[in-house]
Amino acid sequence: SQTIHQWPATLVQPVGSPLSLECTVEGTSNPNLYWYRQAAGRGLQLLFYSVGIGQISSEVPQNLSASRPQDRQFILSSKKLLLSDSGFYLCAWNTGRGNQPQHFGDGTRLSIL
Amino acid sequence: GQQVMQIPQYQHVQEGEDFTTYCNSSTTLSNIQWYKQRPGGHPVFLIQLVKSGEVKKQKRLTFQFGEAKKNSSLHITATQTTDVGTYFCAGLQETSYDKVIFGPGTSLSVIP
Repeated sequence: SQTIHQWPATLVQPVGSPLSLECTVEGTSNPNLYWYRQAAGRGLQLLFYSVGIGQISSEVPQNLSASRPQDRQFILSSKKLLLSDSGFYLCAWNTGRGNQPQHFGDGTRLSIL
Repeated sequence: GQQVMQIPQYQHVQEGEDFTTYCNSSTTLSNIQWYKQRPGGHPVFLIQLVKSGEVKKQKRLTFQFGEAKKNSSLHITATQTTDVGTYFCAGLQETSYDKVIFGPGTSLSVIP
C-alpha cells in the first residue's frame, strides 16, 4: 500500500533562518506531488506541484522554493524565513491526472519567532 | 483564474441537527472532490463526483454535483460529535490537467 511521510512534525525557527521540509512517498511510482500551506483556521493554499522529477510549478510568488531530486521525494526550502511563513505545511500526492484524489501527509507545523 | 467558494465559513449545530455546506465554482468543473480535516489533522478524501447532477451517499452524508457542474453540496443528516472538522471541496477545471483548486472550507462544530 502507498504511504506518505512528512517531517518534521513540528518546527520552530527564527526569522532569517533557512528551511528544509521533506516529503517522501512509498508504494507508487511517478506520483504527482504537491506542497500546500494552511494558515490557522484557513483553507489550503497550493504552493508548488510537480508531475515528474525536476519539474516544478510554482503557484504563488514567495521566498520559498521546491525541488524533486528523486521520483518520490519532494522538498520545500527557504534561504531566509519570514514571519509570514508560519503555518501548517502539507505534502500530498496522487497519480495520473489531477482529477484523482489527493493523499495528504501528517503535515509540519512551522512557527517563526 | 478559477475560484472555488464555500459557504458558510463556520457552522455551529446542536448534535442531531442537520448540516449543509455549499461549494461554488466560477468555471465549469470536470469533477468535484470533498475532503474532511479533523482539528489538528490533515485533509482526508471523502468522495469524488464526476457526472452532472450526480448524487452519492455515505451513511449520513449526501453529496450532490450540480447540473451545470459549477456547484456542489454536502449534507449531513443528524450530526454527531464525530462530524466535527472542516469540510473542503476541491474542483478540477475542465481546461486544467493536473491540479484541483480547494475551496476555503466550512468549519463544523457540533454541540453535544
